[in-house]
Amino acid sequence: GENVEQHPSTLSVQEGDSAVIKCTYSDSASNYFPWYKQELGKGPQLIIDIRSNVGEKKDQRIAVTLNKTAKHFSLHITETQPEDSAVYFCAASEDTGGFKTIFGAGTRLFVKA
Amino acid sequence: DTGVSQNPRHKITKRGQNVTFRCDPISEHNRLYWYRQTLGQGPEFLTYFQNEAQLEKSRLLSDRFSAERPKGSFSTLEIQRTEQGDSAMYLCASSLTGAQHFGDGTRLSIL
Repeated sequence: GENVEQHPSTLSVQEGDSAVIKCTYSDSASNYFPWYKQELGKGPQLIIDIRSNVGEKKDQRIAVTLNKTAKHFSLHITETQPEDSAVYFCAASEDTGGFKTIFGAGTRLFVKA
Repeated sequence: DTGVSQNPRHKITKRGQNVTFRCDPISEHNRLYWYRQTLGQGPEFLTYFQNEAQLEKSRLLSDRFSAERPKGSFSTLEIQRTEQGDSAMYLCASSLTGAQHFGDGTRLSIL
């Protein structure tokens, strides 16, 4: 069935450094790839998304890249801050409305001050 | 934008009891989703509504689970004869087009 693999499961960086989280997906029909940040006791919050007709998207310190041929997509956070510490999830779906969205298992990011 | 609202936030019940959760989506959103999340995992898709129509159900949604969205606005998720394995966070999300917006979930604990 459809699957999204996410690596690493845990990432620890020094404040100011960059953090990179990588995902691969299996369903060739996937065309929408959101990233979510989840803090303790809260629901996932969308931080950035990308569609299959775009290779890269940036929003301030956050950027996402997509390689459709290889079925890889990545999240890049630059100039990390302690408040970036959270669990990050990648996801893939077939429709921009989400329809059946498959999530990765998450990456716990620690940013050390 | 009041966001997606879920109630209750926490539910503790004994094995074998029935429980019902409620989700109020963002008002103009016609799509509504239910997910289950266990510790250390990403959300797992359970079911999806477009307006009042339930268009897809996961194989995770056993016969003990039922979801409704009677007027295309709020939705309820009911679990009958709860089992230990039902302990999880139940998340609701809504969308119009594009990204899904999540509520803060209902945490279910089975004693």
